[in-house]
Amino acid sequence: KAGVTQTPRYLIKTRGQQVTLSCSPISGHRSVSWYQQTPGQGLQFLFEYFSETQRNKGNFPGRFSGRQFSNSRSEMNVSTLELGDSALYLCASSEEIAKNIQYFGAGTRLSVL
Amino acid sequence: AQSVSQHNHHVILSEAASLELGCNYSYGGTVNLFWYVQYPGQHLQLLLKYFSGDPLVKGIKGFEAEFIKSKFSFNLRKPSVQWSDTAEYFCAVNLNAGGTSYGKLTFGQGTILTVHP
Repeated sequence: KAGVTQTPRYLIKTRGQQVTLSCSPISGHRSVSWYQQTPGQGLQFLFEYFSETQRNKGNFPGRFSGRQFSNSRSEMNVSTLELGDSALYLCASSEEIAKNIQYFGAGTRLSVL
Repeated sequence: AQSVSQHNHHVILSEAASLELGCNYSYGGTVNLFWYVQYPGQHLQLLLKYFSGDPLVKGIKGFEAEFIKSKFSFNLRKPSVQWSDTAEYFCAVNLNAGGTSYGKLTFGQGTILTVHP
């Protein structure tokens, strides 16, 4: 099976712009979670989607949003970018079973100038 | 709120030395526990996991971890490290609610392991 695929791998944006990141989960996985990784804050949970519904949300401002499509692919959007949004954004997918394991993609490196 | 604490930010060892990385979590309910590894330039990979049962779990590449419920700890160990173990290691926890795990992992700050040949 193909792994979790994130596109694009790298992005450069300027303050005030918005950005959309994409994640294709492993085939058959219906849960997709997003994380932000920075040197200062480490890995922080953004949100989780399952069956096109947001099931969990982390402590991030409303500028961060996401959605999931019927084929389980997910997108996250950041509006009005700030310098502090520069980070590696990771997507993980998992099966909806009692003992699920999250499998991570390579991430999208976002730089905000 | 759940939190995970890793004791060491950076550990430096020589090859063949033994490794123990500490991880403590704060949550009173039933949790699932994980160790992930991030090799330089690569994505996060699962090293090992604990859901229930035997508190001593074995993972890939000779790693093992022990869950001590009374201490809220899940320490990672390896008897003899190799240069190729140089990486960043993350402990993670998620809530086990009613037998169903939800896709929200809480990570520790990470421990960078450098192994000198």
